[in-house]
Amino acid sequence: DAGITQSPRYKITETGRQVTLMCHQTWSHSYMFWYRQDLGHGLRLIYYSAAADITDKGEVPDGYVVSRSKTENFPLTLESATRSQTSVYFCASSDSGRRALTPQHFGDGTRLSIL
Amino acid sequence: DAKTTQPPSMDCAEGRAANLPCNHSTISGNEYVYWYRQIHSQGPQYIIHGLKNNETNEMASLIITEDRKSSTLILPHATLRDTAVYYCIVRVQGGSEKLVFGKGMKLTVNP
Repeated sequence: DAGITQSPRYKITETGRQVTLMCHQTWSHSYMFWYRQDLGHGLRLIYYSAAADITDKGEVPDGYVVSRSKTENFPLTLESATRSQTSVYFCASSDSGRRALTPQHFGDGTRLSIL
Repeated sequence: DAKTTQPPSMDCAEGRAANLPCNHSTISGNEYVYWYRQIHSQGPQYIIHGLKNNETNEMASLIITEDRKSSTLILPHATLRDTAVYYCIVRVQGGSEKLVFGKGMKLTVNP
């Protein structure tokens, strides 16, 4: 079925480890986004991508790396995980039109715990 | 993007209409009003958006005041499954695709 999928759904790791969160969409949307959600902060944008090989920082990019070699995939990597990166991570995608903005569609999230 | 103001919470009886207010007094002429909701533990879900005319879809209606400084999301017959945090967001056409989520408003639908 068409949609946006995130994997894994749950992940526990230790500080200092590298961890990659995967995001895959089947709509061929040009834009993809990574958000994190923490109590008291709501959803905050980490990185986004306008197309393959085009990425840009959001509000809280430090400690994260992204890549977009294919339109349908947008992995998020924590190169050296810290406890402050324990959070729920959401991936989203949207198409972009000149006349009207299209809504973002979100995945079900990855719950990441860093011990 | 302009900021929005929503009450922190609201209750509604099941089967009744839920009217969710949003103030966006600094909205610019080319900024759209978007509504999303987030049901517990799930990703945000798009509901509806509009520029100046009222809009309706299978989920809800959006009423935007003539001066565009406020809007109301209407869920015509609220169900228990509509309990969620609702986000009102303004976003400029042709600008960044980024969404800026505030704290939203928790709607609780009671039986």
